[in-house]
Amino acid sequence: EADIYQTPRYLVIGTGKKITLECSQTMGHDKMYWYQQDPGMELHLIHYSYGVNSTEKGDLSSESTVSRIRTEHFPLTLESARPSHTSQYLCASSAGPSGAYNEQFFGPGTRLTVL
Amino acid sequence: AQKVTQAQTEISVVEKEDVTLDCVYETRDTTYYLFWYKQPPSGELVFLIRRNSFDEQNEISGRYSWNFQKSTSSFNFTITASQVVDSAVYFCALSEDNYGQNFVFGPGTRLSVLP
Repeated sequence: EADIYQTPRYLVIGTGKKITLECSQTMGHDKMYWYQQDPGMELHLIHYSYGVNSTEKGDLSSESTVSRIRTEHFPLTLESARPSHTSQYLCASSAGPSGAYNEQFFGPGTRLTVL
Repeated sequence: AQKVTQAQTEISVVEKEDVTLDCVYETRDTTYYLFWYKQPPSGELVFLIRRNSFDEQNEISGRYSWNFQKSTSSFNFTITASQVVDSAVYFCALSEDNYGQNFVFGPGTRLSVLP
């Protein structure tokens, strides 16, 4: 069973606040991902990382930033939250660097509401 | 360009009915991988199956079966004798070695199994 954790699970904050969504995995996976998803809707890749000190922007433009200082940790930060950021954020990881073969394991998600 | 289409936005069936979820993909790669994920109301994506482009054998796992046909670029998913617990959003995804090894997800099909 995959071990990937996200905190907080739910977050309600006011506009303009800085927030960090945490994601950690204990599987030693090289690759990690952040997706944005309105509940039950399409997943949009916003950031990914192939290893320590590697970060890339995904297909969907996002005002968030990420860092990858440790293999197991891939936090996402919003410097100034806005109501348009209200969504579910899913973190995932997969083993690498063996190519596209490996499935992604997902965390439980963080449901963010910005008032 | 890579693309995954799930034409059925929502499906409702009565318990014990069989149901097939369609997935059609587009790719220029000769090596690629197809996946199905389940997202129950709790929000976490659960990996169901992976198929590589060189293996067209159909697969059965309990009440679940998958039909991969390269000739029609389809990877359909059938649930036999559906149960209420099968109610979820199901996502089909494509991964390619030459597309940065990231996933392209379909828009999802919401399955409701009524008692």
